[in-house]
Amino acid sequence: ETGVTQTPRHLVMGMTNKKSLKCEQHLGHNAMYWYKQSAKKPLELMFVYNFKEQTENNSVPSRFSPECPNSSHLFLHLHTLQPEDSALYLCASSQDGAGVGETQYFGPGTRLLVL
Amino acid sequence: GQQVMQIPQYQHVQEGEDFTTYCNSSTTLSNIQWYKQRPGGHPVFLIQLVKSGEVKKQKRLTFQFGEAKKNSSLHITATQTTDVGTYFCAGTGTASKLTFGTGTRLQVTL
Repeated sequence: ETGVTQTPRHLVMGMTNKKSLKCEQHLGHNAMYWYKQSAKKPLELMFVYNFKEQTENNSVPSRFSPECPNSSHLFLHLHTLQPEDSALYLCASSQDGAGVGETQYFGPGTRLLVL
Repeated sequence: GQQVMQIPQYQHVQEGEDFTTYCNSSTTLSNIQWYKQRPGGHPVFLIQLVKSGEVKKQKRLTFQFGEAKKNSSLHITATQTTDVGTYFCAGTGTASKLTFGTGTRLQVTL
């Protein structure tokens, strides 16, 4: 529907595991975002990439490591997560992240459970 | 930093009743966007307001941007069960950063 896909849709991992979340956008956009959405908090912006360059890191712990190999793909590498990291991780894209008032198009999200 | 709050956090209405959610920013905004997230879904863009005092309508939904460009509202007339979901506002501040509001969850029952 939105042109932004995310895999996997659901993920269960132990605290010692390493996993990666993948996002792909087919909209020709230049900016991509990672958000965390947990039950009791609003959407939390984690990272912003504009033209493959990271332009924002909102004090995210180093156990989350983003990677943006090109404008269409965005990864979030996960390592030694904590149970409180369990949440819905949403990827979004926009035409140009540096622009004012860019509409963001969200993917379906990855529901992550850390045991 | 920029903060965007929404009230109420949750509202339960009967089908046919009206619903309003309010969005308030700690700083002046250059624009405000509204998104809807259905249960189990992801946020979907609804509309963007740019001008001071602007009012836009989409069928039963009315969106308003305050004169001071620090607040906004979304009003739904005669709610339907298809309106169920969480409504987020998102404002762009002086740093050109889009900040999402805390969201209002709407439940509609027959």
